[in-house]
Amino acid sequence: GAGVSQSPSNKVTEKGKDVELRCDPISGHTALYWYRQSLGQGLEFLIYFQGNSAPDKSGLPSDRFSAERTGGSVSTLTIQRTQQEDSAVYLCASTTDPGTGELFFGEGSRLTVL
Amino acid sequence: GDSVTQMEGPVTLSEEAFLTINCTYTATGYPSLFWYVQYPGEGLQLLLKATKADDKGSNKGFEATYRKETTSFHLEKGSVQVSDSAVYFCALRDRGSTLGRLYFGRGTQLTVWP
Repeated sequence: GAGVSQSPSNKVTEKGKDVELRCDPISGHTALYWYRQSLGQGLEFLIYFQGNSAPDKSGLPSDRFSAERTGGSVSTLTIQRTQQEDSAVYLCASTTDPGTGELFFGEGSRLTVL
Repeated sequence: GDSVTQMEGPVTLSEEAFLTINCTYTATGYPSLFWYVQYPGEGLQLLLKATKADDKGSNKGFEATYRKETTSFHLEKGSVQVSDSAVYFCALRDRGSTLGRLYFGRGTQLTVWP
């Protein structure tokens, strides 16, 4: 596609429910990142994929968070048993070459946990 | 560890005013430095970058100089426009890392009034 596509754009859920957030990167981009942006906070790194493998998942805040990537393309971030502190905007980014530092971001998925 | 600190916002200016957004960094290695911009309703996009000391990144009238001695990368523009209203993020990447993670600051909201 023309840009990084994320869905849903907005998600409201109840505490304790599971949610899935989807990222469709730019075609041909082998590297994919998930970041989280909470109110008043910077962008918090969650996980990095190169192809279908995740060499750096050190940013996942707890074992309730998991992510996968299939076919070197679409990625899904899953949050189990959501908590109110999970409320944030979840951003996905992709790039052909991580060494350049130029990431292409989607518009994000805003998650609200009631 | 690596981190970025940028000035608190919001910043409100009149059109044609001079802009400075301060950014300082802490890095264990020798980083590359970036400014990203997020316009309303859009994803983050790279504004400019610098990869070594004394380099100056520039784009769209914005400039930032990599100052190793002061560990700074302040963003400047001589005459802002209403269309510059956005959130600005300073970021760094450890050039010695193969993982390509970017460390972001908290962002500075800029509003320019006509």
